[in-house]
Amino acid sequence: DAGVTQSPTHLIKTRGQHVTLRCSPISGHKSVSWYQQVLGQGPQFIFQYYEKEERGRGNFPDRFSARQFPNYSSELNVNALLLGDSALYLCASSLAFPGPYEQYFGPGTRLTVT
Amino acid sequence: AQTVTQSQPEMSVQEAETVTLSCTYDTSESDYYLFWYKQPPSRQMILVIRQEAYKQQNATENRFSVNFQKAAKSFSLKISDSQLGDAAMYFCACYYNQGGKLIFGQGTELSVKP
Repeated sequence: DAGVTQSPTHLIKTRGQHVTLRCSPISGHKSVSWYQQVLGQGPQFIFQYYEKEERGRGNFPDRFSARQFPNYSSELNVNALLLGDSALYLCASSLAFPGPYEQYFGPGTRLTVT
Repeated sequence: AQTVTQSQPEMSVQEAETVTLSCTYDTSESDYYLFWYKQPPSRQMILVIRQEAYKQQNATENRFSVNFQKAAKSFSLKISDSQLGDAAMYFCACYYNQGGKLIFGQGTELSVKP
């Protein structure tokens, strides 16, 4: 079975632009979470979605938004990009919510903002 | 505030030896779970071991075991018979059912010397 997939692998954007990152969960998983990992730090929680509804949100500005589709895939959108948004964006899927179901991580999307 | 602290930015171990990575956490929640993740240079975050906070018995997974001290809010990872493939960044993380968020520490970079 395929693991969590993310696209694109790398992305370079200019300040002020908008970006959309995509994630496909493991087959059968209904929950998707997004994390931002700045170089040299641990991942920071951004959002969790389950059954197409937002179930959790981290301390990120409103420029960050996400959604989950009927097939459980997800998009993370970031508007008005800042240099500080440069990071590795990780998507993780799990079976369900709530509950400490194991989160399986994708390889990430490396976003560089210039 | 929910925080996870890893006080060792870097650790080194000789191949076949044992190493212990430290982690402390701070929470007022009673419903939480603890994890250790491994992130090799390839960036893929891999679950190493998990511990339910309500369980007194320390979790073990092959060469990996934890020392969970709930009163001290300490959760260390012991790697026995270290192998070259164990070299990676290790993250301690705490999962809270409320909000479905996984809070990560800053990470410990482990190097294994042949």
